[in-house]
Amino acid sequence: KAGVTQTPRYLIKTRGQQVTLSCSPISGHRSVSWYQQTPGQGLQFLFEYFSETQRNKGNFPGRFSGRQFSNSRSEMNVSTLELGDSALYLCASSLVAIPYNEQFFGPGTRLTVL
Amino acid sequence: SQQGEEDPQALSIQEGENATMNCSYKTSINNLQWYRQNSGRGLVHLILIRSNEREKHSGRLRVTLDTSKKSSSLLITASRAADTASYFCATETGGGADGLTFGKGTHLIIQP
Repeated sequence: KAGVTQTPRYLIKTRGQQVTLSCSPISGHRSVSWYQQTPGQGLQFLFEYFSETQRNKGNFPGRFSGRQFSNSRSEMNVSTLELGDSALYLCASSLVAIPYNEQFFGPGTRLTVL
Repeated sequence: SQQGEEDPQALSIQEGENATMNCSYKTSINNLQWYRQNSGRGLVHLILIRSNEREKHSGRLRVTLDTSKKSSSLLITASRAADTASYFCATETGGGADGLTFGKGTHLIIQP
């Protein structure tokens, strides 16, 4: 089976712009979770989608949003980018997410905000 | 907020030696997982231990869990250069509201 794929792998944006990141889960996996990783805050949970519904959301402002499509592919969007949004964004997929058992992570999208 | 805290933050050992890293957490958990991350890439799941288990093995990995002390340890035996990576513990507290809660990780360097 192909692993979790994320596109693009690298992005450079400027403050105020918006960005959309994409994640394709492992075939058959219906849950997709997103995490932000920064040197200062570490890995932080953004949100989780299951069957096109957002089930859980971490402590992030409304500028961070996402969605999931009927084929389980997921996108996350960050609007009005700030310098602090520079991070590695990781998505993870699993068959079911609650409880959170083994998560399969993609390689991440490295976002740089200038 | 961080649930898990790994100790030490960094560890450098010679190839062939054993590496031990520890994780402490704050609240009750359903399970605790260890992940490896190579150089800012995706995380790879290593092992999951449930709250009613005390020890688990997988190849050269041994994980222990002490729920009374709210701590876990990961032992890597006979280390290899390829084990150089960051290791994170992640806790699952139930309900799903926080997803997996990760610690800040232990950076392990294996010297050839």
